[in-house]
Amino acid sequence: DAMVIQNPRYQVTQFGKPVTLSCSQTLNHNVMYWYQQKSSQAPKLLFHYYDKDFNNEADTPDNFQSRRPNTSFCFLDIRSPGLGDAAMYLCATRGAPSNQPQHFGDGTRLSIL
Amino acid sequence: QKEVEQDPGPLSVPEGAIVSLNCTYSNSAFQYFMWYRQYSRKGPELLMYTYSSGNKEDGRFTAQVDKSSKYISLFIRDSQPSDSATYLCAMSFYNQGGKLIFGQGTELSVKP
Repeated sequence: DAMVIQNPRYQVTQFGKPVTLSCSQTLNHNVMYWYQQKSSQAPKLLFHYYDKDFNNEADTPDNFQSRRPNTSFCFLDIRSPGLGDAAMYLCATRGAPSNQPQHFGDGTRLSIL
Repeated sequence: QKEVEQDPGPLSVPEGAIVSLNCTYSNSAFQYFMWYRQYSRKGPELLMYTYSSGNKEDGRFTAQVDKSSKYISLFIRDSQPSDSATYLCAMSFYNQGGKLIFGQGTELSVKP
C-alpha cells in the first residue's frame, strides 16, 4: 500500500505555464520534502516543511514555491516553468526525530513543451 | 569536490554474483547512512539504514560503514535480475532537518 502518493505521475505543461504537483501521505509524518531529480543525477533538495515551518534551500530558484495546507498534503508550484525544469519531482516524508529515514513517493515526471 | 562520491557505473554482473557498491564522503559530521534502490521511473526505496560503524545485514544485503575511512559499502549476495536498478547512497547530519546528501547513484544490471 502506497504511503507517499504523488499525483499526477506524468505532467506535461507549456513553457511559462504554471503547474502544481501534489503529494499526500498516510504516515502522519511531521516532515515533508520536495526533491528535483534530473536524468542520471542524484535527487536535489528544493525545500522541506517541518510541520508548518517552511525551510527553503539557498539555491532553490524563486520560481519554485510550496504549500502545506495540512499534515497529509504538500504541493509544489512552479510559477513559470522553463525547459531546464523538466525533471522528476520526488516527495519524501520523515517522522520525528531527525534520525528517522525518509520515505519517498514514486515521483511526478514533468515535461515542458 | 562533491561531499559524497559514488561511481555511476554502469555495473553489469551475472546472476548469482556478489555485488559491491561503494561511496566515499568528505564530511566527518555525517551521522546517518542509507542505501536506496531506485527502479526506472520509480521513487527511491529505502534498503538499509545505519548510524554506526560496522556491518548491518538484512537478507541478501549487507551495509558496511567505516567512519574512520569515510567509506560506506553495500554488498548484495546471490544477485538476481530483479536487483537491476540504480543504487543511491545517502547521508545526513544530526540536525539540519534531516537533509539527505546523495551520491550520484550506481546503475546495476544483473544478467540471467
